[in-house]
Amino acid sequence: GAGVSQSPSNKVTEKGKDVELRCDPISGHTALYWYRQSLGQGLEFLIYFQGNSAPDKSGLPSDRFSAERTGGSVSTLTIQRTQQEDSAVYLCASSQGTADEKLFFGSGTQLSVL
Amino acid sequence: QKEVEQNSGPLSVPEGAIASLNCTYSDRVSQSFFWYRQYSGKSPELIMSIYSNGDKEDGRFTAQLNKASQYVSLLIRDSQPSDSATYLCAGGTSYGKLTFGQGTILTVHP
Repeated sequence: GAGVSQSPSNKVTEKGKDVELRCDPISGHTALYWYRQSLGQGLEFLIYFQGNSAPDKSGLPSDRFSAERTGGSVSTLTIQRTQQEDSAVYLCASSQGTADEKLFFGSGTQLSVL
Repeated sequence: QKEVEQNSGPLSVPEGAIASLNCTYSDRVSQSFFWYRQYSGKSPELIMSIYSNGDKEDGRFTAQLNKASQYVSLLIRDSQPSDSATYLCAGGTSYGKLTFGQGTILTVHP
């Protein structure tokens, strides 16, 4: 596609529910990243995919967070048993995967946990 | 020390002035450097990248990198109200993962 696509754009859920966030990267981009941005905070790295594997998942804040990528394309970030502190904008980015390549961000999913 | 630190701001400059944004980084993020602009409620947008010591100019923007001092800056000449945004400095690893600073809020007033 022309850009990184994320869905849904907004998600409101109740505490304790599971949520799935979807990212469709730019066609041909092998690297995919998930970041989180809380109100007034910088971008916090969550996980990095190269192809379908995740060599760096060091940013996942707890075992309630997981992500997968299939077909070297679409990725899903799943948050189980959501908590209020999970409320944030979840941003996906993709790149061609080499050291000097630029990341291109999607428009994000605003997650609100009530 | 945080991996990437930015001068906290906020920074306010008059229209037409030069805005100077600064960033320092630790050894763990030393491959490449990027400046992103983020308008309120929008996603980050890449405006400059720099990989080697010295200056890199693109239109009204100049990025400066000094690896010895672990310092990277962004100058915006002839600042416009449309430049008002949060500017994020980021350092890259060998596989492209970016570590971001907290951002500096820039306001350009007419």
